[in-house]
Amino acid sequence: EIVMTQSPATLSVSPGERATLSCRASQSVSSNLAWYQQKPGQAPRLLIYGASTRATGIPARFSGSGSGTEFTVTISSLQSEDFAVYYCQQYNNWPPGTFGQGTKVEIK
Amino acid sequence: QVQLQQSGPGLVKPSQTLSLTCAISGDSVSSNSASWNWIRQSPSRGLEWLGRTYYRSKWYNNYAVSVKSRITINADTSKNQFSLQLNSVTPEDTAVYYCARKHISSALDIWGQGTMVTVSS
Repeated sequence: EIVMTQSPATLSVSPGERATLSCRASQSVSSNLAWYQQKPGQAPRLLIYGASTRATGIPARFSGSGSGTEFTVTISSLQSEDFAVYYCQQYNNWPPGTFGQGTKVEIK
Repeated sequence: QVQLQQSGPGLVKPSQTLSLTCAISGDSVSSNSASWNWIRQSPSRGLEWLGRTYYRSKWYNNYAVSVKSRITINADTSKNQFSLQLNSVTPEDTAVYYCARKHISSALDIWGQGTMVTVSS
């Protein structure tokens, strides 16, 4: 089973600043990598799939990059609604589509 | 607009069966371009994919190794929904359970609202 490792566990950022989150796969997942945003009491929401394609309705301030084993998602200018937990998930070896443990983006 | 609506009890006794249903609107459970998944989330296990059902000229199911001996996922085409049954539950199965669609060209793009299930006597 592919293990997904996210870093950092928590990221403290001021509104308007840039945030970069990382995800590493234990073996290559090609570009079959997704990012999700989850707010308290809500289901995860798909942000990015195919490592770099924004899902429907996702603002352009979210961008994804990477392939193989190293991936990042960048939020160019954090808005108040972006403070949440972010998860990566590989779907190259599906099933199972393994998730990372999450990065919490909090207000500095 | 595709939506998933979950239903089912929030409390299950140990050794009994957890049963949840996910009703689909705006898509078909028989779609040839989607699979229908169950995922759970707990503080100890994080997000854990449990299984899926999908139709490609016939029905297929896949299950996570961790629950394979206890899980059944079924599709009901007459009601356009799919269901999860997890047998012989223990307190370790306490979690928020989600249903979700995976489109063939995307990831888990549509999620249900989640159901908190507690296993307790």
